[in-house]
Amino acid sequence: GAVVSQHPSRVICKSGTSVKIECRSLDFQATTMFWYRQFPKQSLMLMATSNEGSKATYEQGVEKDKFLINHASLTLSTLTVTSAHPEDSSFYICSARDPAGGSADTQYFGPGTRLTVL
Amino acid sequence: GQNIDQPTEMTATEGAIVQINCTYQTSGFNGLFWYQQHAGEAPTFLSYNVLDGLEEKGRFSSFLSRSKGYSYLLLKELQMKDSASYLCAVRAPRKSGGSYIPTFGRGTSLIVHP
Repeated sequence: GAVVSQHPSRVICKSGTSVKIECRSLDFQATTMFWYRQFPKQSLMLMATSNEGSKATYEQGVEKDKFLINHASLTLSTLTVTSAHPEDSSFYICSARDPAGGSADTQYFGPGTRLTVL
Repeated sequence: GQNIDQPTEMTATEGAIVQINCTYQTSGFNGLFWYQQHAGEAPTFLSYNVLDGLEEKGRFSSFLSRSKGYSYLLLKELQMKDSASYLCAVRAPRKSGGSYIPTFGRGTSLIVHP
């Protein structure tokens, strides 16, 4: 099946710094990728939809100036958490839709990035 | 809006059968997914239903009734490694527009014991 990678898998940073997370589709091209955030024992909450070559679409309540998304190529999307604070500590997961996935339009998830802001 | 409801936690015995239910209320409907998520890992795709009925895939089966807004995931011959969170996700038009993107339920934590 389709493979999505994320880097880094874990990051610890000081409050006020910025952190960049990369999401790559390894064996397919993804015009659309998705960024989710998941707090402990909570559901996956969609933050934004990343569109190759255009601006991301953010969900209501997600600050676009704080969570910068860049989708510069068909295989790479990045999420930058700017001026991170402890409340931004969470599990960030990206996913990509495999255009060859048929009618299911299945999303394939990356392994996630555990962000801890001190 | 969208509302997806599933039990928070279930326990079962190794070798047994367990059914995890999911009910949903959405404006529009374009498919229901089940994902498995082990602690600290990303979700992995299990099944997709868009028409009423039962889809069987090995030890796992998924059922959908669109008229009732109801689905279940059936796990047979439970193994210890099946201990995980099971997420129900419904795809429907979103307020933000664009393509159909699944909305996830909170997940059901399944504990399989010997």
